[in-house]
Amino acid sequence: KNQVEQSPQSLIILEGKNCTLQCNYTVSPFSNLRWYKQDTGRGPVSLTIMTFSENTKSNGRYTATLDADTKQSSLHITASQLSDSASYICVVNSPSGTYKYIFGTGTRLKVLA
Amino acid sequence: EAQVTQNPRYLITVTGKKLTVTCSQNMNHEYMSWYRQDPGLGLRQIYYSMNVEVTDKGDVPEGYKVSRKEKRNFPLILESPSPNQTSLYFCASSPDLSGAGTDTQYFGPGTRLTVL
Repeated sequence: KNQVEQSPQSLIILEGKNCTLQCNYTVSPFSNLRWYKQDTGRGPVSLTIMTFSENTKSNGRYTATLDADTKQSSLHITASQLSDSASYICVVNSPSGTYKYIFGTGTRLKVLA
Repeated sequence: EAQVTQNPRYLITVTGKKLTVTCSQNMNHEYMSWYRQDPGLGLRQIYYSMNVEVTDKGDVPEGYKVSRKEKRNFPLILESPSPNQTSLYFCASSPDLSGAGTDTQYFGPGTRLTVL
């Protein structure tokens, strides 16, 4: 069964610190991997999208990496801000016949002042 | 403003009473999709549509119907809602799903449904 697993489930850091969130997937075949930010009670917002041939993508203080060989991705947040408090969701798109998105359950990040 | 809108945002209903959640996008997107989000399970795809009159099942289609008569609208229909359909629902759209990996999926604000 295709799966996308994220770790840790939750994380608390102090404002200004860096953090790294992990995503492991078993989806095959693989088309692209996305990271979303979801504020509580709101729809997810796209942060990065990487195809299998890309191994890093940045969006401001957010940097995603991808290792398609080991099927691992990470999202690194630099110099965290209070507004980074949210859930971060890893999503894998598989083009195998039907275009489906497989979502991880997310990492809930809390940034404290 | 480019956006995906959903209505209603909150709905409390009773078992068996048919309901429709509307979804509309103003970006001329080909692809639209419905998801439900439950604690500990993440988002799960219910149905999606790659174009007008083209719809397909996602991972959890049971108990739901959709239609795509116009490009901009993709309503979600619950013919006979049950308590296990209590959830947070999101509609999303994207320009296309070519597999090239560059299309961004835009989500609506969500509809919180409670079925008693």
